[in-house]
Amino acid sequence: ETGVTQSPTHLIKTRGQQVTLRCSSQSGHNTVSWYQQALGQGPQFIFQYYREEENGRGNFPPRFSGLQFPNYSSELNVNALELDDSALYLCAISLRDWGLGYTFGSGTRLTVV
Amino acid sequence: DAKTTQPPSMDCAEGRAANLPCNHSTISGNEYVYWYRQIHSQGPQYIIHGLKNNETNEMASLIITEDRKSSTLILPHATLRDTAVYYCIVLNSGGSNYKLTFGKGTLLTVNP
Repeated sequence: ETGVTQSPTHLIKTRGQQVTLRCSSQSGHNTVSWYQQALGQGPQFIFQYYREEENGRGNFPPRFSGLQFPNYSSELNVNALELDDSALYLCAISLRDWGLGYTFGSGTRLTVV
Repeated sequence: DAKTTQPPSMDCAEGRAANLPCNHSTISGNEYVYWYRQIHSQGPQYIIHGLKNNETNEMASLIITEDRKSSTLILPHATLRDTAVYYCIVLNSGGSNYKLTFGKGTLLTVNP
């Protein structure tokens, strides 16, 4: 148990649909990041939110968007789903004290058919 | 962030020390070395990090060479539960964006 909860754990969507993935934490944190992990690959950075504002983005198109809420929860939204979006999506939180590292959730397995 | 190179896989006998190497020859002076591991079907787990000096915590030890171009993660007494993919990451923590750049990592298999 990492203290970071992601929902749902598994999801199947059809190409062209939209999806919202959620992340919550029991502890206070001010930074949340989202990663995409394709099968057999390391996680790839999507974006990061600090104090409810996006402050960094990886090489992902604008149809990937996010939100961070004052209650420490966060959402990842993906529009116009493509087959290649099938992956494990990971949420990671940290305090601004970087020495603690990131704490990851167990992820949401998204399958696009 | 500097690129890292790790062997794709390693084996270790249960109870023995597991030594996982990482090359980061282009590391710059303000970049830290971080290690994470990912057990099957779970998210990555932070293990340890360091800048110049060797570090030790309850999970592992990190040995960084004097020129900082390589490092070794040591699990002193590997157990079957240590079977996982281990990622070595170099990170500049001086900026405001602390993104982790994962490679493919090393799959460590601990055998009984």
